[in-house]
This record gives sequence, C-alpha cells and structure tokens, in this order.
Amino acid sequence: GEDVEQSLFLSVREGDSSVINCTYTDSSSTYLYWYKQEPGAGLQLLTYIFSNMDMKQDQRLTVLLNKKDKHLSLRIADTQTGDSAIYFCAESKVAGNMLTFGGGTRLMVKP
Amino acid sequence: DTGVSQDPRHKITKRGQNVTFRCDPISEHNRLYWYRQTLGQGPEFLTYFQNEAQLEKSRLLSDRFSAERPKGSFSTLEIQRTEQGDSAMYLCASSGGGAQPQHFGDGTRLSIL
Repeated sequence: GEDVEQSLFLSVREGDSSVINCTYTDSSSTYLYWYKQEPGAGLQLLTYIFSNMDMKQDQRLTVLLNKKDKHLSLRIADTQTGDSAIYFCAESKVAGNMLTFGGGTRLMVKP
Repeated sequence: DTGVSQDPRHKITKRGQNVTFRCDPISEHNRLYWYRQTLGQGPEFLTYFQNEAQLEKSRLLSDRFSAERPKGSFSTLEIQRTEQGDSAMYLCASSGGGAQPQHFGDGTRLSIL
C-alpha cells in the first residue's frame, strides 16, 4: 500500500473551515509537512510538524498530529477562494532526507 | 532570497532526444533535491545532493538519467534518449540541511512528442 494517503477532493464554502486529512503507515516518520500547489506551479511550503509535537498553529493554519493513529490533519480557518489548490502531505524519516508525498487533496472553495 | 529557480519552465522535445534541466537553489542551502511529478500524482523522489556529493538515488532514476552538482551550487538533470513515459513535471528543491524544510522551485514541465 501507499506510504502516505490522502482523500482526493474537498469542497467547502468561503468562510467555513477546511480540514484536510492524511494518514501514513510508517511509525518512524519523524517530520511531517504540508505543501500547497496551484495550477502550473511548484510546491509552496505551508507548515510542518515534528513527531514530538501534537499540534502547531500558524495564523489560519492548525496542524494536528495523532501519532498513535498515524494521522495528520491540516485545518484552514476562514477558508478563502484563494485557498483553492491541491494540498500535499509529506513525511520524512530522517532530517534532510527524501520526502514521501501523498497523492494530494484538491480543495475547492465556493463563494 | 530569490527562491529556487528552474530553467526552462517548459520543454517540448521529440522521443529519443536528450534534454537537460537546470536548478539554482536558494543561495545558502547545501542540500538539493530532484523530484518527478506526473499528472494527478504527488511528487516522487529522484535524487539528492549535499554540496557536490550525490547521496541517494531512487530506483526511478534509470541509467538514462544523470544528475550533477559540480560546484555544490546549481544542479543539472539530464535525460538521454527520452521516452513518452518521461513526460512529467521535474521539480527541484533545496534546504539548509538538518531539520530545515525543503523549498521547491516552479518546476520544468517536459512534454515528449
């Protein structure tokens, strides 16, 4: 099976909160990241969390990590149309080594 | 900080031709990574460098692919005898090493006719 899995699609209304989920299989995953990709562009780093943390908040973004269930989530508060993009979860087992990405979740924000 | 720069942004070539892509990392970053992304998928790791040393290569990197980082600054990725299956977005990333996150360029989109 895939090392990192995400649901394919999420649709929300502008102003609502979005929650994008990610599960990973390897308990040795130490560093977990969220990236955003807009059409035709590269990946923009949004936030990241280390496995010794449960939660990280950065302005409208909140990352929750459940190590027992190997589950990572990204909550976007007050979602805006500009948040429409594909969001990728990624993990790394060793600092500075390769990233393993999920397949991405396409977020659509309706006005 | 000008970010990670990749050139060209788009490359269209005929099957069997050789292509070369360039990546300029963020200036103080000693680690440089190459990934490949096909349509509708997440990026897949190809290889990475620490300074000029190539530390790891994926099984995806067939013998038609070669990457270099001769002076520990910019890097090139060459694909020889291109095939239809090589059509993808090739992404470069860099980091300052340790636990610092990777920052990506906008990629080079390769289309094989």
